[in-house]
Amino acid sequence: DSGVTQTPKHLITATGQRVTLRCSPRSGDLSVYWYQQSLDQGLQFLIQYYNGEERAKGNILERFSAQQFPDLHSELNLSSLELGDSALYFCASSVVPSTTYEQYFGPGTRLTVT
Amino acid sequence: GENVEQHPSTLSVQEGDSAVIKCTYSDSASNYFPWYKQELGKRPQLIIDIRSNVGEKKDQRIAVTLNKTAKHFSLHITETQPEDSAVYFCAASSIYNQGGKLIFGQGTELSVKP
Repeated sequence: DSGVTQTPKHLITATGQRVTLRCSPRSGDLSVYWYQQSLDQGLQFLIQYYNGEERAKGNILERFSAQQFPDLHSELNLSSLELGDSALYFCASSVVPSTTYEQYFGPGTRLTVT
Repeated sequence: GENVEQHPSTLSVQEGDSAVIKCTYSDSASNYFPWYKQELGKRPQLIIDIRSNVGEKKDQRIAVTLNKTAKHFSLHITETQPEDSAVYFCAASSIYNQGGKLIFGQGTELSVKP
């Protein structure tokens, strides 16, 4: 157990819908990263938040957005869902990116868009 | 752009043999190189990492080497066991320039036959 929690574990929804994925980082970690894992694209970085502020952005679609709250949990919002958005979504956390390098992953949310 | 190439995509060895997985990165600013092990449907687990100021690091049966000049790094597993069977991902990160986001290789599916 990494100490990073994610809910829900599984999500099945229809095309065009909107979903919210939630992540709680390890105690003491200020930074949260979101990654998408699909069969054809592998593990891809989406976005990073550090202490409530957006720090880095990857190839995240405009239909996707995220935020980090004062209690440091983070939410990833996916809207206008398409079949191709079906994937495993992981969040990872680290203490402070510039001093502690390790990222620990949560168990993931498996999203199925039908 | 940032890219990490990983080879081979699949690797099959006999129990007790060694396994080597190789990665090449493109971003010369990369300074942190972790390796993750992922079992089917589970989260990536950090197994070993190396920073750019070190050429080699070992932890029991696992070792990682880094050649910064050639932008290569490798994972070595000795005395392989069936429980080492999993998908292994290398990654590269630039802690200071990009907040520590991980750029992953495509993964290597390791199969250890008893």
